[in-house]
Amino acid sequence: RKEVEQDPGPFNVPEGATVAFNCTYSNSASQSFFWYRQDCRKEPKLLMSVYSSGNEDGRFTAQLNRASQYISLLIRDSKLSDSATYLCVVNSRPSGYSTLTFGKGTMLLVSP
Amino acid sequence: ETGVTQTPRHLVMGMTNKKSLKCEQHLGHNAMYWYKQSAKKPLELMFVYNFKEQTENNSVPSRFSPECPNSSHLFLHLHTLQPEDSALYLCASSHGERDANTGELFFGEGSRLTVL
Repeated sequence: RKEVEQDPGPFNVPEGATVAFNCTYSNSASQSFFWYRQDCRKEPKLLMSVYSSGNEDGRFTAQLNRASQYISLLIRDSKLSDSATYLCVVNSRPSGYSTLTFGKGTMLLVSP
Repeated sequence: ETGVTQTPRHLVMGMTNKKSLKCEQHLGHNAMYWYKQSAKKPLELMFVYNFKEQTENNSVPSRFSPECPNSSHLFLHLHTLQPEDSALYLCASSHGERDANTGELFFGEGSRLTVL
């Protein structure tokens, strides 16, 4: 079973649309959770952490369901600049350096 | 502009060559990482160094040999690679102290390796 599983997409949406990505993880001992963003031919960058209570950062909302081992990302009012690959990431270490496990990513294409 | 710099950005080598990838971070971090990114595969953790000590080796073949002379520099020495080793090799850094695990890794732009 894949450790972090995501729908690869691509998700093609018009500007202004709302789009949601989901992710499941297999390691129930995972400690912390994140969404990273990777633009074409660029390095991954942290988009936001994901907390059990759910958290929001502007147009982005992340949710975690530990019981179901499920993570989601909602993007409202999509912009052209949101076009990228979104990587679901889990960390198995509680402290010190990180051991991050990445999903393959979900590609988002926002069109005018 | 990235605080993690990787050189070379592109490398083509034969299977009998020896080459090295270099990574330097200017962020004051103590943990450094090598990841491999191949087409249609997730990023794979290869090695972790924390405070210059290797703490993770994710069953990487010995033809890849890491070196971490100090907390700011990380090398990946390459020897007798195979064509399937062609990939983007990403270096990253983060805090390594006990109470500083935020899960945020800062990546370099990567070294794209082609093995002929």
